[in-house]
Amino acid sequence: ETGVTQTPRHLVMGMTNKKSLKCEQHLGHNAMYWYKQSAKKPLELMFVYSLEERVENNSVPSRFSPECPNSSHLFLHLHTLQPEDSALYLCASSQEAGGGWDTQYFGPGTRLTVL
Amino acid sequence: GEDVEQSLFLSVREGDSSVINCTYTDSSSTYLYWYKQEPGAGLQLLTYIFSNMDMKQDQRLTVLLNKKDKHLSLRIADTQTGDSAIYFCAEKKDTGRRALTFGSGTRLQVQP
Repeated sequence: ETGVTQTPRHLVMGMTNKKSLKCEQHLGHNAMYWYKQSAKKPLELMFVYSLEERVENNSVPSRFSPECPNSSHLFLHLHTLQPEDSALYLCASSQEAGGGWDTQYFGPGTRLTVL
Repeated sequence: GEDVEQSLFLSVREGDSSVINCTYTDSSSTYLYWYKQEPGAGLQLLTYIFSNMDMKQDQRLTVLLNKKDKHLSLRIADTQTGDSAIYFCAEKKDTGRRALTFGSGTRLQVQP
C-alpha cells in the first residue's frame, strides 16, 4: 500500500494535446517532487515543492508546468510535448524538504507515451 | 562520469546471496539509500544508511558503506524470486539541495 497515488497510470497523447498528471500524498508530508524516468537515463529530478512553494526547477522545458495547490496535491500540466518526453513520471513526497534526514516516498508513476 | 554508478545486471540462483554494488563521487553525501522497483511500479524504499555508519542490517538486507572508497553495497541473503527487480542506489548530498541523485539501477534476476 503506497501513501502516494498517481493518476492516470498510463497516458497516450499527441504532440498538440494538453493533459495533466495528478499526484496525491496521504502521508502528511510537506514536500513533493516530480521525477522523470526514461529508458536511457538515470532518474531525473524535475521539480520540488516545499509547503506549496516551488523551491527547485531543474532546467525543465516550459512545456511542463507544475502546480501545487496544497501540500497533499501536485499536478504536472503537459502541452505540446515531444516524442522524447515519453517516459515514466514519478511523484514523491517527504516529510521535510531540505537538510537533515528526509526520506522520499514514491508513487507508482504515470507511463506517458507521446505520439 | 556519472555521480552514482551501478552495474547494470546481476543474475543469481534462488537461495544464494546477492550483492549489488554502487559507487558515488561526492564525499559530501550524507545519506545513502537503496530503492527497489518492480515492473510497472514506482520506487519502494528498502533501506538507508547515514554516512557516519559502516554497516546496517535489516532482516535479509545488509548495507555496507566504505567511505574511503565511496562504495556502497546491498547484500540480500537467501534471495527469492520475488526479489527480482531493479535496485537503485541514491545519495543525498550535504549541499542544501533536496534532490536525490540516483544511479542507473541494477537489474537483479533470480533463477529458480
